[in-house]
Amino acid sequence: DADVTQTPRNRITKTGKRIMLECSQTKGHDRMYWYRQDPGLGLQLIYYSFDVKDINKGEISDGYSVSRQAQAKFSLSLESAIPNQTALYFCATSDSPGQGGTGELFFGEGSRLTVL
Amino acid sequence: GIQVEQSPPDLILQEGANSTLRCNFSDSVNNLQWFHQNPWGQLINLFYIPSGTKQNGRLSATTVATERYSLLYISSSQTTDSGVYFCAVKTSYDKVIFGPGTSLSVIP
Repeated sequence: DADVTQTPRNRITKTGKRIMLECSQTKGHDRMYWYRQDPGLGLQLIYYSFDVKDINKGEISDGYSVSRQAQAKFSLSLESAIPNQTALYFCATSDSPGQGGTGELFFGEGSRLTVL
Repeated sequence: GIQVEQSPPDLILQEGANSTLRCNFSDSVNNLQWFHQNPWGQLINLFYIPSGTKQNGRLSATTVATERYSLLYISSSQTTDSGVYFCAVKTSYDKVIFGPGTSLSVIP
C-alpha cells in the first residue's frame, strides 16, 4: 500500500459543485501539503499544514479550503468548482527538519480533477 | 525570492544514451530533491541530495551547494526513463520551490 493515499484518483464534475479531495498518510509525518499542477507546468503550493492546529496558505489558495482532521489526514475542498481549477492535484508529506528530520517530500499518486 | 532554473527544457535521447540534467538555484538552500514524473503523472522520489553525490543504479546526482547547482546523470537510458524531471529546493524559510522541469523522451 502507498504511504500517501489520495482519493479520488479521478473526478469529473460540473461548474459550481463542491468537491473534496482527501489525503491520508502512514508515514507518521507532521507536515502535509496540497499542490496543484496544470498541464505542462510545474507544481504550485495551495495550502500546507505543519501540524493539526497549523494551517497556512500557499501561492494559490483562492477558491480552495483545507481541513486537517488528524495528523494523518488532510483534505482539500473546492467550494464551488470552476473550469480553470481543472488540474492534477497532489498531496505531499514531510517530517520536520527542526526535529531531526530532513524535510524530504513524499507525494501521493495524484488526483486528476476535471471541471466542466 | 529564490529562482530555480532547469536545463535543458526538453531532451530527446536514443535508448542507451547518457544524459546530464542541470538545476541552478539563485540562493542558498537547506535541501534539494530530484523527482521523476512518469507519463501517468506519478511523482517519484529520485534523490534527496542537499550536497555531495549519490548513486542509485543507472542514476546519480551531485549537488554543489556552494556553487548553487545540482546535476542529475542518467546512464544507459531506457524508454521507461521518459517523463519530466523536476528539482525542488527548500529555502531557509521552509518554503519548497520547484523548477520548471526537463522533459525527457527516450526513443527505441
